[in-house]
Formats: sequence, C-alpha cells, structure tokens
Amino acid sequence: KNEVEQSPQNLTAQEGEFITINCSYSVGISALHWLQQHPGGGIVSLFMLSSGKKKHGRLIATINIQEKHSSLHITASHPRDSAVYICAVRNTGDFGNEKLTFGTGTRLTIIP
Amino acid sequence: NAGVTQTPKFQVLKTGQSMTLQCAQDMNHEYMSWYRQDPGMGLRLIHYSVGAGITDQGEVPNGYNVSRSTTEDFPLRLLSAAPSQTSVYFCASSQSPAQETQYFGPGTRLLVL
Repeated sequence: KNEVEQSPQNLTAQEGEFITINCSYSVGISALHWLQQHPGGGIVSLFMLSSGKKKHGRLIATINIQEKHSSLHITASHPRDSAVYICAVRNTGDFGNEKLTFGTGTRLTIIP
Repeated sequence: NAGVTQTPKFQVLKTGQSMTLQCAQDMNHEYMSWYRQDPGMGLRLIHYSVGAGITDQGEVPNGYNVSRSTTEDFPLRLLSAAPSQTSVYFCASSQSPAQETQYFGPGTRLLVL
C-alpha cells in the first residue's frame, strides 16, 4: 500500500509570499494528482503529473520520480488561495484514476 | 453539463437504519468512485467502478454496497448504519484511460446517531 505524506500540515503566510507544499510517497507510481479543497468542502483537480513540471497561472507542480517526491508552488499568494491542498497518487499498473491513494492534506491560510 | 451531482447534501440516520447515497454524472465517464473523508485522514476509497456492470472493493468497503446499472449512476448503499460511518462522502468520476481531470461531487455529510 502506498503511503502518501504531505508537509506541512498547516501553513500560514502573508499575501504575496511564495508557497511550497510537499508530497512524498513510498512506492512507485504512474501519476500524481494535486487537488484543492475549498473551505465549503468542494474538491477541484489542479494537476496530474507523471514527470517533470506543469504550470497553470500562479500554480506550479513538479515531480521527481526517482526521489518519490512532488511539490506544489504558489507564486504571489492571495487570500483566495486559502484552502486545503491534497496530493493523491495512482499506483503503477492502474490505468485509470478510479482508485487513488490520498495524503491528509495541507491547510493553507493566506493573510491579507 | 451538471458534472457530478450527489444527493442528499446532509443526512442524519439512527444506528441500524439503511439509506442510499446517490451519485450521477452527465459526462459519459467510465470510471466512478466513492470515497469517505474523516478528520485527520486522507480520502479513503470505499468502492469503485470501471464501467456499467463492473464494480470492485476499495480500502474500506465493509458496511457498504454499490451497483452500476448505467454509466451515469453509481449509488452507495449503507446496509445498517453505524456511528463509525459518520463521515463526509465524495463521489468522483473520470474518463478512461486516465484523464487529466478527476471530477468530484459536492459531497454528502452523514451523521449516524
């Protein structure tokens, strides 16, 4: 069973700061997802990575397959970025996203 | 498209009662899953389906049943509710093979007394 760990568990920062959230996993994977859970509870998919780096607006996700580690970066953070960020992995041999393994999430609070 | 819809949004049950949590998607997705989210824990997979007529157990299937008679619907049945099933339940869907985006429903908050 893949163990997915995120750090930090909680992060509070000032508006404008550069944010980094980390995710590590124990067993080789075929893909890694970053998700955002809004304060109201809704979950939105941000990225799916199998190698390298992806960028969407102020969000950047990277993955190092050899080190079994991924990071999510937020540039020029804004209070609307306040949410729980969740990492999830798809195990090697699984061809779909129907049985992901999730981390416990990082709660990010951006103070104006 | 409505995306993934779940009903009800909130439910209170007494121990021993049964109920069905509804999940539907209008995106013609093959893959659908049920997760539960508990404080301090990541989402955990209850059951999943890779297409109509095909279901399988996830990490925490005990006390739950599913069926997938159509591509659109994937109901989750609690056979005899227990306080340990108090949780927030999320339904998710995605296209096969692995699509970039995993779509989640808004969640059902269940309280079992």
